[in-house]
Amino acid sequence: SQTIHQWPATLVQPVGSPLSLECTVEGTSNPNLYWYRQAAGRGLQLLFYSVGIGQISSEVPQNLSASRPQDRQFILSSKKLLLSDSGFYLCAWSGLAGDLNEQFFGPGTRLTVL
Amino acid sequence: SQQGEEDPQALSIQEGENATMNCSYKTSINNLQWYRQNSGRGLVHLILIRSNEREKHSGRLRVTLDTSKKSSSLLITASRAADTASYFCAFSGGFKTIFGAGTRLFVKA
Repeated sequence: SQTIHQWPATLVQPVGSPLSLECTVEGTSNPNLYWYRQAAGRGLQLLFYSVGIGQISSEVPQNLSASRPQDRQFILSSKKLLLSDSGFYLCAWSGLAGDLNEQFFGPGTRLTVL
Repeated sequence: SQQGEEDPQALSIQEGENATMNCSYKTSINNLQWYRQNSGRGLVHLILIRSNEREKHSGRLRVTLDTSKKSSSLLITASRAADTASYFCAFSGGFKTIFGAGTRLFVKA
């Protein structure tokens, strides 16, 4: 069966520090991968998605970047965090079965920038 | 904005009552999905309805889709305290999925 992992679960970082959040998927190959951010009590904002190794699409201009160094690894990074980067970050994957793109979410990382 | 809109934003009901949440969207879709999120956790997929379907059932869940009105509803029957969560609609016009802002449901025991 497929599983998706995210770490760390929680993170507190000072403004201006770098960031690296990692997401890995097991049990499937060539998944679509997604990074979302969720502000408190709000919906999900799509940040990045990837259809393959090295292929990253950015949805919104921001202080963040993403990379996909391996088929089932998706990394969210920042060189210098801003206060506004605080939030709940969710990684998700979906398969390529026609137009059925049910997404499977990781447990999330709660980031607090102080 | 492509984001879906959901109403109500928050809903508080007694255990045993039915809960109805609505979602509207603006674009053409291939399918519409509903997800559930417990506080501080990831989202869990509940049900998917294709654009050529009008109604779908899964256990105590009933989803309807009206493509002419670009709207969908999620009905949870005989609610339980454990149904307390946020519920999101999400729609797909390709391989990207756009999520609504969610409805926070609170079921009182």
